[in-house]
Amino acid sequence: EAEVAQSPRYKITEKSQAVAFWCDPISGHATLYWYRQILGQGPELLVQFQDESVVDDSQLPKDRFSAERLKGVDSTLKIQPAELGDSAMYLCASSPARAVAYNEQFFGPGTRLTVL
Amino acid sequence: AQSVAQPEDQVNVAEGNPLTVKCTYSVSGNPYLFWYVQYPNRGLQFLLKYITGDNLVKGSYGFEAEFNKSQTSFHLKKPSALVSDSALYFCAVRDGQRRNTGFQKLVFGTGTRLLVSP
Repeated sequence: EAEVAQSPRYKITEKSQAVAFWCDPISGHATLYWYRQILGQGPELLVQFQDESVVDDSQLPKDRFSAERLKGVDSTLKIQPAELGDSAMYLCASSPARAVAYNEQFFGPGTRLTVL
Repeated sequence: AQSVAQPEDQVNVAEGNPLTVKCTYSVSGNPYLFWYVQYPNRGLQFLLKYITGDNLVKGSYGFEAEFNKSQTSFHLKKPSALVSDSALYFCAVRDGQRRNTGFQKLVFGTGTRLLVSP
């Protein structure tokens, strides 16, 4: 069964350092999402891609976060510099159709970030 | 803007008993409603969704959910709970009313921890 891949699974870093997370969606999925899930809360959308284009990045802290999906396949989320408040689970998800509201999203296992 | 409320942080049920996890929502347009489950240190796994039609939706692992438009609710149910159902459950809603930039984002509730005791 096809799955969304993410790496690393765990990342520990010191504040002010740069970190990067990678996501490989299910093959053929045009839409890719990055979410942040703080402990005890539900996931919150950071950025949504349609192919290689950003559709929604309204909740992305653009002073320190960046995301790209250069060839419309895999994607990288970067934080520079990391802050203590960035400690969270970062989830990647993909969906099979183009911007269809009622398609379910398929989630990867996530990257747990701890900022010391 | 759309929102979701899961009023219970935790639900406790004995194995073999029926379970209900509550969810209410608020949207401007027609709601697209979803339930996901999350096991420890894992991503979310899709259970079921309501788009339109029959108010009772059946999903994975014997779960079902009932859409109630008048009460703006979408409660998750299972007739007989298993210990392996113990996990974190998230309700999510997407407002079907499109914006100029496209469809609106999926908004998740804060989650309900289900604990099934043997």
